[in-house]
Amino acid sequence: AQSVTQLGSHVSVSEGALVLLRCNYSSSVPPYLFWYVQYPNQGLQLLLKYTTGATLVKGINGFEAEFKKSETSFHLTKPSAHMSDAAEYFCAVSDIGANNLFFGTGTRLTVIP
Amino acid sequence: DTAVSQTPKYLVTQMGNDKSIKCEQNLGHDTMYWYKQDSKKFLKIMFSYNNKELIINETVPNRFSPKSPDKAHLNLHINSLELGDSAVYFCASSQEGGGRAEAFFGQGTRLTVV
Repeated sequence: AQSVTQLGSHVSVSEGALVLLRCNYSSSVPPYLFWYVQYPNQGLQLLLKYTTGATLVKGINGFEAEFKKSETSFHLTKPSAHMSDAAEYFCAVSDIGANNLFFGTGTRLTVIP
Repeated sequence: DTAVSQTPKYLVTQMGNDKSIKCEQNLGHDTMYWYKQDSKKFLKIMFSYNNKELIINETVPNRFSPKSPDKAHLNLHINSLELGDSAVYFCASSQEGGGRAEAFFGQGTRLTVV
């Protein structure tokens, strides 16, 4: 089965600073890649996904992620953090052709005013 | 109009009881999932159904039994509840198999076993 590693269970940034959340996957065959956000006491919401095509993917709320096959990575970035970005962020992967979706352990983003 | 709805939202019960969580999606999706989120926020897939057929059963104790009466519903029944079953359970659905479609999640059911 796939495994997903998110470095840093907790990331703090100042408002207006760059957000960088890291995600690496284990498979030698690139899977489909996703980032989800979870606000307190809510379900998960898709931020963005990579399936094929352009490796730089833009999502909602100003987030983007770049798929780097050589590094087996799919890091999430946002140029300028906003207070409303404070949440739990999950990287997830899905094997091509499979009905599964495996999540990383999550990164809690705190935005400091 | 909620896309993926779960009931109940909160469930408090005693050890040894049997309980069910219901999930319905009105998105016309073929694939539905159950996930367990523990106290450290780790999300683990439990089951995946495609067109009412079980696709994935990720080493879940057989006290957990999913039931899919039709492709819009995937209910989770838990027998002989244990303290370790306390968690938030999420139902989700996706448009197609093959892994490329995003999953839509319900709001979760917080199960507390006392």
